[in-house]
Amino acid sequence: QKEVEQNSGPLSVPEGAIASLNCTYSDRGSQSFFWYRQYSGKSPELIMFIYSNGDKEDGRFTAQLNKASQYVSLLIRDSQPSDSATYLCAVNIVDNAGNMLTFGGGTRLMVKP
Amino acid sequence: SAVISQKPSRDICQRGTSLTIQCQVDSQVTMMFWYRQQPGQSLTLIATANQGSEATYESGFVIDKFPISRPNLTFSTLTVSNMSPEDSSIYLCSVERAGEQFFGPGTRLTVL
Repeated sequence: QKEVEQNSGPLSVPEGAIASLNCTYSDRGSQSFFWYRQYSGKSPELIMFIYSNGDKEDGRFTAQLNKASQYVSLLIRDSQPSDSATYLCAVNIVDNAGNMLTFGGGTRLMVKP
Repeated sequence: SAVISQKPSRDICQRGTSLTIQCQVDSQVTMMFWYRQQPGQSLTLIATANQGSEATYESGFVIDKFPISRPNLTFSTLTVSNMSPEDSSIYLCSVERAGEQFFGPGTRLTVL
């Protein structure tokens, strides 16, 4: 069974701190990894993707991938109250059915002023 | 990215009726997907909408309950048939472009 696991939270951090969101996945065939942000009542918004081991930085966001440990994380530097949302980790597997995107349960982040 | 619209944005329906949700994309895409997000839950893939052939359904979802159309490369519909309160959910259309998936605004369905 292909699974993507996230701590549901809430993860509470003070404004200006680094928020660290973690995700593990079970299928070693996973090829690409995505982080979505979802505000309450809104649809998911893609914020980062990563394909290769290591770090990928985009502004205040850094995605980290370790395929050997089957682990992907998202760091948010200088957290702002506007970052408060649910963060969804998604893993893409290409199989006989085509591209499959499997989502984790999401981690709710709360950034307190 | 992709500009995706869905209609209706929300609806309240009676048990036993059916609702068809429309998804329109700003330009042609090969892959379109339909997801369900139940209250407080993450996203679950219902099916992949294929242009020119039948949709591919995930385990637990069947064509009789969720018929899908894909008449061209910019449009798809999902019908939720013979609804029950358990179908109350947000239904999201998604498209893949250059290896990334983008989501429409969603349709919030409440079944009484």
